[in-house]
Amino acid sequence: AQSVTQLDSQVPVFEEAPVELRCNYSSSVSVYLFWYVQYPNQGLQLLLKYLSGSTLVKGINGFEAEFNKSQTSFHLRKPSVHISDTAEYFCAVSVRGSTLGRLYFGRGTQLTVWP
Amino acid sequence: DVKVTQSSRYLVKRTGEKVFLECVQDMDHENMFWYRQDPGLGLRLIYFSYDVKMKEKGDIPEGYSVSREKKERFSLILESASTNQTSMYLCASTEPPPSGTGGSSGNTIYFGEGSWLTVV
Repeated sequence: AQSVTQLDSQVPVFEEAPVELRCNYSSSVSVYLFWYVQYPNQGLQLLLKYLSGSTLVKGINGFEAEFNKSQTSFHLRKPSVHISDTAEYFCAVSVRGSTLGRLYFGRGTQLTVWP
Repeated sequence: DVKVTQSSRYLVKRTGEKVFLECVQDMDHENMFWYRQDPGLGLRLIYFSYDVKMKEKGDIPEGYSVSREKKERFSLILESASTNQTSMYLCASTEPPPSGTGGSSGNTIYFGEGSWLTVV
């Protein structure tokens, strides 16, 4: 099984400040990487994913993430957050070569944006 | 847009009751999943299915079973609900990778809005 570690369970920031949500994974095989967002009382929505190519991936709502193979990391960033970004964020991996495409999730990071 | 619908958003059941959680997707996806979400634990896979009548155990299948009689519908069953099954349940679906691609899958997985189950 794959292991995904989200280093911060809670990240409070003020509006318009930059934010970074950290994610590390452990894998001896190649993986695809994902970030999902969950707003209160809703399901998960894909923010962005890394499959191949450029290591900097841009997603929805101004978020981006950088894949760093040597550090097995996939940190999520936004240069200026809004109150509407308050949500829980999940990092996830799937294994290349898997026909099923199941995701292995981190434990989540609650981002709270204060006015 | 892909739509994954979980018919029951909020349920309260008594200990020992049999509980059915229903999930329907409208995109003809072959792969479907049931996850359980608990605070501080993230999402954990209960069961998955890659075809009608096919099912596989995930990481925490104990106390659960599933049914996939039609491609679009994947049901999670709690045979005898217990208080430690109080949780948020998320259904998801995805397409398998195209044939000839070597089996790897970067396809997006689509989630329903979740079913909050409280067992008292």
